[in-house]
Amino acid sequence: GQQLNQSPQSMFIQEGEDVSMNCTSSSIFNTWLWYKQDPGEGPVLLIALYKAGELTSNGRLTAQFGITRKDSFLNISASIPSDVGIYFCAGRLPGGATNKLIFGTGTLLAVQP
Amino acid sequence: NAGVTQTPKFQVLKTGQSMTLQCAQDMNHEYMSWYRQDPGMGLRLIHYSVGAGITDQGEVPNGYNVSRSTTEDFPLRLLSAAPSQTSVYFCASKGPGQTEAFFGQGTRLTVV
Repeated sequence: GQQLNQSPQSMFIQEGEDVSMNCTSSSIFNTWLWYKQDPGEGPVLLIALYKAGELTSNGRLTAQFGITRKDSFLNISASIPSDVGIYFCAGRLPGGATNKLIFGTGTLLAVQP
Repeated sequence: NAGVTQTPKFQVLKTGQSMTLQCAQDMNHEYMSWYRQDPGMGLRLIHYSVGAGITDQGEVPNGYNVSRSTTEDFPLRLLSAAPSQTSVYFCASKGPGQTEAFFGQGTRLTVV
């Protein structure tokens, strides 16, 4: 099945550092979503992107919908310990059912105080 | 403050046993989905439903059945569990016009 290529697979950083992760696909998407999953919990939506080139922020988080519609990135500025978790990108293909999402493989983020 | 509720949270099955994972949402959402999450694989869609009485297959439907007799409930059935079905299962729902899918807390299933 189709999956998104998400990188890096894991990151181990110091508190206060900035973080960047991205997703790429061979297919065009019409929606990009970024989720965070805490241990033992389900994914929670962080940012949703709907247009190519769109740049959206949510507090210390910023995400962009790539101009080619085949990629997206997520930046976290000034990381804090509670940023720890697994971050997933997800995309929706044009013409796909509105609730069918394709997920990336996840980026595990560890933040050392 | 219910949202999407999944039961059970943990389950161990023997190969060949059957069971039903329950999912209920109290937000009157039309769309509901089941995903499985495996290490290094992200989340993969098993089955989904766009409304009561309507279901369709996702990316990895084999070995699983679903039904949608009510808007609120979307159970996932394993008719004959196999070790390959050891995974964490997530149910999600979404209202019309919404982008956000609300996820349950997951069911961790081990098949021995």
